[in-house]
Amino acid sequence: DVKVTQSSRYLVKRTGEKVFLECVQDMDHENMFWYRQDPGLGLRLIYFSYDVKMKEKGDIPEGYSVSREKKERFSLILESASTNQTSMYLCASSLAEKNTEAFFGQGTRLTVV
Amino acid sequence: GENVEQHPSTLSVQEGDSAVIKCTYSDSASNYFPWYKQELGKRPQLIIDIRSNVGEKKDQRIAVTLNKTAKHFSLHITETQPEDSAVYFCAASVGKLIFGQGTELSVKP
Repeated sequence: DVKVTQSSRYLVKRTGEKVFLECVQDMDHENMFWYRQDPGLGLRLIYFSYDVKMKEKGDIPEGYSVSREKKERFSLILESASTNQTSMYLCASSLAEKNTEAFFGQGTRLTVV
Repeated sequence: GENVEQHPSTLSVQEGDSAVIKCTYSDSASNYFPWYKQELGKRPQLIIDIRSNVGEKKDQRIAVTLNKTAKHFSLHITETQPEDSAVYFCAASVGKLIFGQGTELSVKP
């Protein structure tokens, strides 16, 4: 059974703080993704990675960066958190082959105050 | 890049009725179209998917149709039950998954 685990379920941070959201998967998936979920906007792709040390910008990368030092771990970094980054963040992973199921983590509800 | 539009944003049906959710996509290179269901407080989970070489796929009470020419695809749920109540997301992929805005389905007993 695939497990995608995000380090925190709920997080409260102050404006200007550097924030790290961690995601770990245990199925040796090559692809990993970070989405943010907002009501009425669906799931929007922030960054993704097809391999270790590789990253690609998604549709809304501004204000975010990522790190993939190991295959199983994909970190999302908010360099200087702002209130408009308050959201639900979802990590996902999938096999390298195209057109395969993406498995999601349980989500991190981030509140920036 | 790919853009996926999903309608309606909310849908309320009586138990036993059918529900239809529609999506359109912009990138003709997209060739994989999954549907995810997200129950309240839970992670999205795949319920059905269709690839571009197939026009229709069924799995018990759910079915998906794909019209590549028109670039739209739909989810059909028959004989709806209260446990079908959730948010449903369509997505299109040419490598990375791009999601629609979601449809909140409410099935009233």
